[in-house]
Amino acid sequence: KAGVTQTPRYLIKTRGQQVTLSCSPISGHRSVSWYQQTPGQGLQFLFEYFSETQRNKGNFPGRFSGRQFSNSRSEMNVSTLELGDSALYLCASGRGESGNTIYFGEGSWLTVV
Amino acid sequence: SQKIEQNSEALNIQEGKTATLTCNYTNYSPAYLQWYRQDPGRGPVFLLLIRENEKEKRKERLKVTFDTTLKQSLFHITASQPADSATYLCALGGYGGSQGNLIFGKGTKLSVKP
Repeated sequence: KAGVTQTPRYLIKTRGQQVTLSCSPISGHRSVSWYQQTPGQGLQFLFEYFSETQRNKGNFPGRFSGRQFSNSRSEMNVSTLELGDSALYLCASGRGESGNTIYFGEGSWLTVV
Repeated sequence: SQKIEQNSEALNIQEGKTATLTCNYTNYSPAYLQWYRQDPGRGPVFLLLIRENEKEKRKERLKVTFDTTLKQSLFHITASQPADSATYLCALGGYGGSQGNLIFGKGTKLSVKP
């Protein structure tokens, strides 16, 4: 069974640009969550989608947004990139029931220059 | 505000010994707690989940305990091997009723020397 797939794996953007990251969950999983990981802050929750609806949102500015499609695939978008947005962006999928684990992809490394 | 701490940023032990990692939290009552392993440049890999009504969980050489009174979880790796070297993350769950919203500690980097 294929794991969580994230694309692209690495990317470099210029300050002020926008970026879209993609995540394909494990087959049968309807929940997709996004996290930002930096050396200073660790893993921080961005948002969770379930059945195309945002179910929870972390404490990030409105420049960070996401969506989920009917096939459970998800995208996140960051607009007006800042240097501080450089991070590893991780996607995780799960069945959507609290108390069950979530499974992470390998992440997308974003560098903003 | 909610706070989760993993007691040390780094832990160095000798091969064959038992590694014990600690996770403490405040201002939070998680329904469950999870431990993940993360290798450099890779995504976290799930290891164990323990619920608030469970005291201990085991899986092969791994053992996790959960004390909701002390607000603490201990993660043990027995007979440690150099291949166990990685960063270990604890995460609290059950917040907001959703599955994907986990609160992570910053991790403990374990180094097992041969």
